[in-house]
Amino acid sequence: DTGVSQNPRHKITKRGQNVTFRCDPISEHNRLYWYRQTLGQGPEFLTYFQNEAQLEKSRLLSDRFSAERPKGSFSTLEIQRTEQGDSAMYLCASSAGGQDSEKLFFGSGTQLSVL
Amino acid sequence: AQRVTQPEKLLSVFKGAPVELKCNYSYSGSPELFWYVQYSRQRLQLLLRHISRESIKGFTADLNKGETSFHLKKPFAQEEDSAMYYCALNYGGSQGNLIFGKGTKLSVKP
Repeated sequence: DTGVSQNPRHKITKRGQNVTFRCDPISEHNRLYWYRQTLGQGPEFLTYFQNEAQLEKSRLLSDRFSAERPKGSFSTLEIQRTEQGDSAMYLCASSAGGQDSEKLFFGSGTQLSVL
Repeated sequence: AQRVTQPEKLLSVFKGAPVELKCNYSYSGSPELFWYVQYSRQRLQLLLRHISRESIKGFTADLNKGETSFHLKKPFAQEEDSAMYYCALNYGGSQGNLIFGKGTKLSVKP
């Protein structure tokens, strides 16, 4: 499968624990995005990387959230001291530059449940 | 503030009937709009974008700046069109940062 890959598919954790998700984008894509989706809502933008540089962060991304893309390839999203309100589907997407920069390819997501 | 509104949570039609999924937006700049679709147990994927002015799987969407709308239309619905449809607005210029609507679930009955 040459699409966007996300791991794990599901994560159940207790409130207060830290969790980390991984995203492997399509190999030739230099742009990587994290979105969050809750039940009944569309995806909400969290943050965006071009290569290894994090260029934009949403106000939704509290201090407990941190994202990295150290070598401009895969990315990780860490949530510290999880809260029940963090329960959501976390989606990763990637895109190429140029004319296709707005054509996002999404992964299958990581479903987080905070108990 | 930028916003995308999809007024219908669920739209149910019979096979062969015309379909129109509504999308309205609020944005002070020059809008770039998209329709994304998620079929059952599949990933969210791009269906079409207004700058391409293309027809994909029989669907078309025209940007109406006067009415700030980008409705998705298909003249004859097929059962395989049943899916969740999201309208999205690019507010990030060339960066691809999208604001999504809440989505409309299309159900096409045989």
